[in-house]
Amino acid sequence: QQPVQSPQAVILREGEDAVINCSSSKALYSVHWYRQKHGEAPVFLMILLKGGEQKGHDKISASFNEKKQQSSLYLTASQLSYSGTYFCGTEKDTGTASKLTFGTGTRLQVTL
Amino acid sequence: ETGVTQSPTHLIKTRGQQVTLRCSSQSGHNTVSWYQQALGQGPQFIFQYYREEENGRGNFPPRFSGLQFPNYSSELNVNALELDDSALYLCASSSGTGYNEQFFGPGTRLTVL
Repeated sequence: QQPVQSPQAVILREGEDAVINCSSSKALYSVHWYRQKHGEAPVFLMILLKGGEQKGHDKISASFNEKKQQSSLYLTASQLSYSGTYFCGTEKDTGTASKLTFGTGTRLQVTL
Repeated sequence: ETGVTQSPTHLIKTRGQQVTLRCSSQSGHNTVSWYQQALGQGPQFIFQYYREEENGRGNFPPRFSGLQFPNYSSELNVNALELDDSALYLCASSSGTGYNEQFFGPGTRLTVL
């Protein structure tokens, strides 16, 4: 089942903060975050693993609530380059990683 | 270090035809996953190849098939094309089948008329 992201879209002024949420109805082992600009490939931002391990960018932070099957991506002091569509991808706890199920996407626009 | 590459960039086919899309994985990566992304949607998992074997498949019919070669590059084949197959096809490479980051290629835009 596809994870649900909120909000669907957000407009920020440069320097403002934003939070993007990702919620799943399935037990998760990991959550991946990607940013995709129009006409380009998704770019890896961060992965959060069950148990607390994280891999990703220094300037982007995220949290993973394993009990609630929810993850949040925190964008602070936004820059124009942050504009794009953000997707979370989730992996179920099946013992072996096999596929990412991507969320519905959150469109972020940063303006001057 | 070479990133993930895909060919061709764009492709136009007619209904009923067959198509082959190609992907070269990032250096050092032995796993390739294929995704279909319709306009305005998130990528949908088609299948994954690990060391030349299929390692997981999404909800796509058998007319979607794939291969992985000894150098870990991969092909996606789609037979009997339908209008709904029009989409951006993305491949992503990663190291192993553990819960690792996947790096995406630029994609192939397929249009079926």
